[in-house]
Amino acid sequence: DGGITQSPKYLFRKEGQNVTLSCEQNLNHDAMYWYRQDPGQGLRLIYYSQIVNDFQKGDIAEGYSVSREKKESFPLTVTSAQKNPTAFYLCASRREGDSNQPQHFGDGTRLSIL
Amino acid sequence: DAKTTQPTSMDCAEGRAANLPCNHSTISGNEYVYWYRQIHSQGPQYIIHGLKNNETNEMASLIITEDRKSSTLILPHATLRDTAVYYCIVRVAEGRGKSTFGDGTTLTVKP
Repeated sequence: DGGITQSPKYLFRKEGQNVTLSCEQNLNHDAMYWYRQDPGQGLRLIYYSQIVNDFQKGDIAEGYSVSREKKESFPLTVTSAQKNPTAFYLCASRREGDSNQPQHFGDGTRLSIL
Repeated sequence: DAKTTQPTSMDCAEGRAANLPCNHSTISGNEYVYWYRQIHSQGPQYIIHGLKNNETNEMASLIITEDRKSSTLILPHATLRDTAVYYCIVRVAEGRGKSTFGDGTTLTVKP
């Protein structure tokens, strides 16, 4: 089945450690997105990428980094500079060529600090 | 992207219609209205979208006012499984861009 796969489902980070969250899609979508969600709140955009080898900062990019070397993959690294990384992270993708297409979401990764 | 305003929470009796409002008074002519929902600890699920005409699919109906400054998502026969957070967003139709998700409406369907 086509879809978006995020892994791992749960992730624990030690203080001062970088961690990378995986996002893979087999929908052949051009655009991919990373969102952060804190308890009881909506989604905030971290980074997005509309084509391979290009990405843009969202509203809360500080302390995060991304890469887009392949169309199907958009990994997110939470660096030690992100002082409050505990959150639910959601990846999404979207077909850009058809202008009104919706985003498709993965099931998220829950990151916690040890 | 235009900002949206939704009530924080709503209740609905099981089997009745759930009507979820959304204000988007600064929407521009090329922006679509999208609705998603998020069941606890899962990724958001796309429900429906529209530009200016009313839309219906197997999940819901979307009613957009003539001036496009507000819309209503209608779940015709709500079930307990419809309990979720519902997000209304607007985004440009052309070109490339991002969507902004607000805090949404928590809909609780009660037996």
